[in-house]
Amino acid sequence: GAVVSQHPSWVICKSGTSVKIECRSLDFQATTMFWYRQFPKQSLMLMATSNEGSKATYEQGVEKDKFLINHASLTLSTLTVTSAHPEDSSFYICSAQRGTGGFDTQYFGPGTRLTVL
Amino acid sequence: AQSVTQLDSQVPVFEEAPVELRCNYSSSVSVYLFWYVQYPNQGLQLLLKYLSGSTLVKGINGFEAEFNKSQTSFHLRKPSVHISDTAEYFCAVSEDSGAGSYQLTFGKGTKLSVIP
Repeated sequence: GAVVSQHPSWVICKSGTSVKIECRSLDFQATTMFWYRQFPKQSLMLMATSNEGSKATYEQGVEKDKFLINHASLTLSTLTVTSAHPEDSSFYICSAQRGTGGFDTQYFGPGTRLTVL
Repeated sequence: AQSVTQLDSQVPVFEEAPVELRCNYSSSVSVYLFWYVQYPNQGLQLLLKYLSGSTLVKGINGFEAEFNKSQTSFHLRKPSVHISDTAEYFCAVSEDSGAGSYQLTFGKGTKLSVIP
């Protein structure tokens, strides 16, 4: 159990367009989902924490209007990169956390590679 | 604030040799500790985690780690590596950030290269 999927796995888009990335927990309900960004040969940097039914909490330095996060249900969170530019090219990874009221592990999706031309 | 230091960015090791990947952390509260593995162009897979109890934690693929509170370390070990262990390994720490949400802070990663 505890499978997280992301779609698409790879996307190429033109500069100025918007791209939506989906993150789904396939066999559990995720009250909290996290979005990370990973540059080549670097670690994961937390972008935002998303709780179902409420606004996402963004980390310092992350533009809320550029990276729109929607956690509409207990199994789905979306990240929309608006007006993408080449510097937004990166590997985006989501994770999902089960339950509340006690610690639970984050389960990671396979990642989405975004290339902006 | 919590932080994680992975002392080695790259570790080359011959096949069937033992390996230790080092991880030190800092935190002002009790923490939970993790090791994840990432294969090229893939997400992260959990190797093992320390939440409480026994300080020696066994994970998948023959890996184990020992939590040492006095040294604030959580080093990852494997007695005999295989070619398939070649990957990037991330140490991570988590503490309660409130409202039941546990954020992870990652180290910079250690690239393990197993040499035939």
